[in-house]
Amino acid sequence: ETGVTQSPTHLIKTRGQQVTLRCSSQSGHNTVSWYQQALGQGPQFIFQYYREEENGRGNFPPRFSGLQFPNYSSELNVNALELDDSALYLCASSLDYNEAFFGQGTRLTVV
Amino acid sequence: ILNVEQSPQSLHVQEGDSTNFTCSFPSSNFYALHWYRWETAKSPEALFVMTLNGDEKKKGRISATLNTKEGYSYLYIKGSQPEDSATYLCAFRGVWSSNTGKLIFGQGTTLQVKP
Repeated sequence: ETGVTQSPTHLIKTRGQQVTLRCSSQSGHNTVSWYQQALGQGPQFIFQYYREEENGRGNFPPRFSGLQFPNYSSELNVNALELDDSALYLCASSLDYNEAFFGQGTRLTVV
Repeated sequence: ILNVEQSPQSLHVQEGDSTNFTCSFPSSNFYALHWYRWETAKSPEALFVMTLNGDEKKKGRISATLNTKEGYSYLYIKGSQPEDSATYLCAFRGVWSSNTGKLIFGQGTTLQVKP
């Protein structure tokens, strides 16, 4: 086990709704990254938070947003859900920008 | 657009067979190459972080080599066991992400080892 936990493990949302996914980072880690894995693809980088500030973003629209809290846990928020947002969302934590340790992911289905 | 390609996409071998997969990545702006092992319903597990051209790393029956000049890495599994069945992901990190940790993943190679 990596010590990175994500919740919920699965959820189903309706198109147009909003969703919040949560990630608790490994103890001692100050950096959290979020990835989206669509079916048949490798994980795609969404963004990264370092010490509560976003410091890197992939090619995702602004309706994907996030937060990192003082305890370095993190949230991923997606507004105005689209069918194509259906995917596995992975969170990874690290100390500074070093080796990343992943959670098990949240499976989001948008119907 | 930066591409990281893995081949083959899937592989079926018999227990005891040795096997290898390939990860191709950009040969410029190299910072690190990561290998992960991902079993179904579990979190991806870090296998290796490779940073130096010519580097070779080993963990039990699994080893990996790195060629940054030509942009490829090989992962080898000696004497495959059913518990090696998993998806193996490689991820490229460029110098432009040295202060962000951003990884660019390949699509993975899924290995199935039959007893």
